[in-house]
Amino acid sequence: EDQVTQSPEALRLQEGESSSLNCSYTVSGLRGLFWYRQDPGKGPEFLFTLYSAGEEKEKERLKATLTKKESFLHITAPKPEDSATYLCALGIYNQGGKLIFGQGTELSVKP
Amino acid sequence: DVKVTQSSRYLVKRTGEKVFLECVQDMDHENMFWYRQDPGLGLRLIYFSYDVKMKEKGDIPEGYSVSREKKERFSLILESASTNQTSMYLCASSAGATLTDTQYFGPGTRLTVL
Repeated sequence: EDQVTQSPEALRLQEGESSSLNCSYTVSGLRGLFWYRQDPGKGPEFLFTLYSAGEEKEKERLKATLTKKESFLHITAPKPEDSATYLCALGIYNQGGKLIFGQGTELSVKP
Repeated sequence: DVKVTQSSRYLVKRTGEKVFLECVQDMDHENMFWYRQDPGLGLRLIYFSYDVKMKEKGDIPEGYSVSREKKERFSLILESASTNQTSMYLCASSAGATLTDTQYFGPGTRLTVL
């Protein structure tokens, strides 16, 4: 069964304290792994797509990496404005354009 | 930039009312999706559409229907609203190309059914 699990559910950091969010998955055929950021009361905002193991992408203080079993979202020297819920999602072959979403990690960065 | 708009940010309806949620995208995307998002349950797919006048059920279609008369517009209909349909509703669209399944989301509609 295709599934995705994110950990931890919640993460509290001090400003400048680097850390990583995890997205573990089991899938029949991975078409792509997606990371989104969601602020309270708003729709998810697209961050990255990763297609194959070993791939990495960066945007400001965020870097996403992918292996055959999991993806990490590394946050370097976070700022309070990085506080949000981060969602990962799987695109799967033979599922058309549908995505399977994880439950998300709620990140809080304190000044 | 991709833009997905939803007709209302907040909506309050009464039990039994017929409710229409509208979604419009301006990027000529083939695919459109409706989700609901509830605490502890994450994002759940209600319906999706790969083309005009075409629709497919997602994971939780009961109590909902959809309409896609034009490529840019995808409507979610609650035929007879119930309190358990109080939720955040999110619309998304994607290009539909072979490798690019990136879904772009609208701002959401917070629906309360009293």
